[in-house]
Amino acid sequence: NAGVMQNPRHLVRRRGQEARLRCSPMKGHSHVYWYRQLPEEGLKFMVYLQKENIIDESGMPKERFSAEFPKEGPSILRIQQVVRGDSAAYFCASSPSGEGHNEQFFGPGTRLTVL
Amino acid sequence: AQKITQTQPGMFVQEKEAVTLDCTYDTSDQSYGLFWYKQPSSGEMIFLIYQGSYDEQNATEGRYSLNFQKARKSANLVISASQLGDSAMYFCAMRDGTSGTYKYIFGTGTRLKVLA
Repeated sequence: NAGVMQNPRHLVRRRGQEARLRCSPMKGHSHVYWYRQLPEEGLKFMVYLQKENIIDESGMPKERFSAEFPKEGPSILRIQQVVRGDSAAYFCASSPSGEGHNEQFFGPGTRLTVL
Repeated sequence: AQKITQTQPGMFVQEKEAVTLDCTYDTSDQSYGLFWYKQPSSGEMIFLIYQGSYDEQNATEGRYSLNFQKARKSANLVISASQLGDSAMYFCAMRDGTSGTYKYIFGTGTRLKVLA
């Protein structure tokens, strides 16, 4: 059973470009979480999605950031008009259920560098 | 508000010795979960150990144990017989059940360096 997959692993964008980060959850998992890790900091929650629904986006900036988890295909975190402050590692995690006793399984992360 | 505090930005330990990494938490939940993750220089998040708030015994996983003191709201990670490969960042996290989303709240991490 493959783990959580994220691609690309590294992404370089110039200021003003768009960044699209993909996350394929573990097989059988229908819940996806996105976290951001700024340099030398811990992970911070951004958004929680179930298939075709955004459940909690309280940690996601209101502008330029969006997320989706379609019925088919990976979850996408999209950052429009990137700025240098968006440079960070973005982690996706999946779980089989939102129930409290289930562990979240983390992907390897996408490291975004904005030039 | 839910919060995780790790007060040790960096720690050193001699190879083969034990080390304790501190973690305190704040929550109004009665039911919660506490996790420790290791993040080596390669960047991935490696799950180490889990403690549920209703678990009566401290969790153990090989050389890792969690010293859970509920009244003091602490969940310290103990690594026994340290190895050079244990050098990494270590994050304490709590599952937030208040909003029903069960998102994780992470501390700022402790960078552990194991000395030969």
